[in-house]
Amino acid sequence: QVQLQESGPGLVKPSQTLSLICTVSGGSISSGGSYWSWIRQHPGKGLEWIGYIYYSGRTSYNPSLKSRITISLDTSENQFSLKLSSVTAADTAVYYCARAATNQDAFDIWGQGTMVTVSS
Amino acid sequence: SSELTQDPAVSVALGQTVRITCQGDSLRSYYANWYQQKPGQAPVLVIFGKNNRPSGIPDRFSGSSSGNTASLTITGAQAEDEADYYCTSRDSSGSHVVFGGGTNVTVL
Repeated sequence: QVQLQESGPGLVKPSQTLSLICTVSGGSISSGGSYWSWIRQHPGKGLEWIGYIYYSGRTSYNPSLKSRITISLDTSENQFSLKLSSVTAADTAVYYCARAATNQDAFDIWGQGTMVTVSS
Repeated sequence: SSELTQDPAVSVALGQTVRITCQGDSLRSYYANWYQQKPGQAPVLVIFGKNNRPSGIPDRFSGSSSGNTASLTITGAQAEDEADYYCTSRDSSGSHVVFGGGTNVTVL
């Protein structure tokens, strides 16, 4: 079955760019109909959708973060990635990658999550 | 601020029924999906679409919708159902995903 695994630095300095990769195993990232999303959770808080990339490459981003986000696909590596620029302490969170196989908001498979701390 | 509103917390006696609600204007046009999250774990999809359960989700979980309110019902709550529950749907534009603020369910 499809599994997702996030990877990337656990510590990022303020003003730098946070970069995370989600590796997809057990299935192809370019299979039809799937939305590949990033979601984050601030410590002790609720879930926040960051954005998704459709298998075709089309993207949609949270309007509140849009100016700082880039989500891209790497079909050769079966991965998708998140870049969040100009980070501040407010970007400290657990970051999840997730798949929505049918509707863009029905996330049926999640990675385990990775904690990213923004601090100097 | 979230376009989907959930009560912060509810409690239910063991074996009883609890309904968790999610309110938002976009729910008049789109179904809600529901997730269960236990401490230190990733969320798990428990209901999607009109009232669909992914494989492995017990049938005590069900979903419904009326007007601008979607509901997740747990019929015969078990101790293991104690968790945070989140709804998702689209925003008013239909182009973006939004999460509700979450409801903490305590099983007494």
